[in-house]
Amino acid sequence: GNSVTQMEGPVTLSEEAFLTINCTYTATGYPSLFWYVQYPGEGLQLLLKATKADDKGSNKGFEATYRKETTSFHLEKGSVQVSDSAVYFCALSDNQGAQKLVFGQGTRLTINP
Amino acid sequence: GAGVSQSPSNKVTEKGKDVELRCDPISGHTALYWYRQSLGQGLEFLIYFQGNSAPDKSGLPSDRFSAERTGGSVSTLTIQRTQQEDSAVYLCASSLERLSNQPQHFGDGTRLSIL
Repeated sequence: GNSVTQMEGPVTLSEEAFLTINCTYTATGYPSLFWYVQYPGEGLQLLLKATKADDKGSNKGFEATYRKETTSFHLEKGSVQVSDSAVYFCALSDNQGAQKLVFGQGTRLTINP
Repeated sequence: GAGVSQSPSNKVTEKGKDVELRCDPISGHTALYWYRQSLGQGLEFLIYFQGNSAPDKSGLPSDRFSAERTGGSVSTLTIQRTQQEDSAVYLCASSLERLSNQPQHFGDGTRLSIL
């Protein structure tokens, strides 16, 4: 079946550091890929998405590129801020049937000033 | 406009009781999803509605779980004879259509605790 694997957390960085959160997937066909973020005390929010190979999703300084050859969708940000502290979830939709989301286990990110 | 609204935000109940969780999707969203977020299992899909019908119930963990949707809008997830392993945050999401370019918008969830 479809699955998503994220790097284990927690991840702790200093402000202005470079961030990478690794995400790889297993899926049949051509899935769409997503990063969702959950800030403390808030619900899940869509951060960015990519619907086909080589697409780059970007939002709020975050980027992720859909790499079919490596089945990856790594999240990056050049300079993190304290306000980026949250739990980040990588997810896929197989674009079939219900198009339900399959999530990775989440990565908790803490940014220290 | 308003986002996805879920109620109650927190629910504590005794083992063996029945519970109902409610979801109000974004107006006009035809697709509605229920997910469960628990410590041991992460975020898991439960059930999908398109309009009032549920063509995919594959994630419901047992026959104690059921859901319905009326008027193409409000959905209720019911758990009968609750067990401690049902403790989790239950999330509802809706999207404009069942298409990959239509993102799912999530509510804040209902935190269910079974004593």
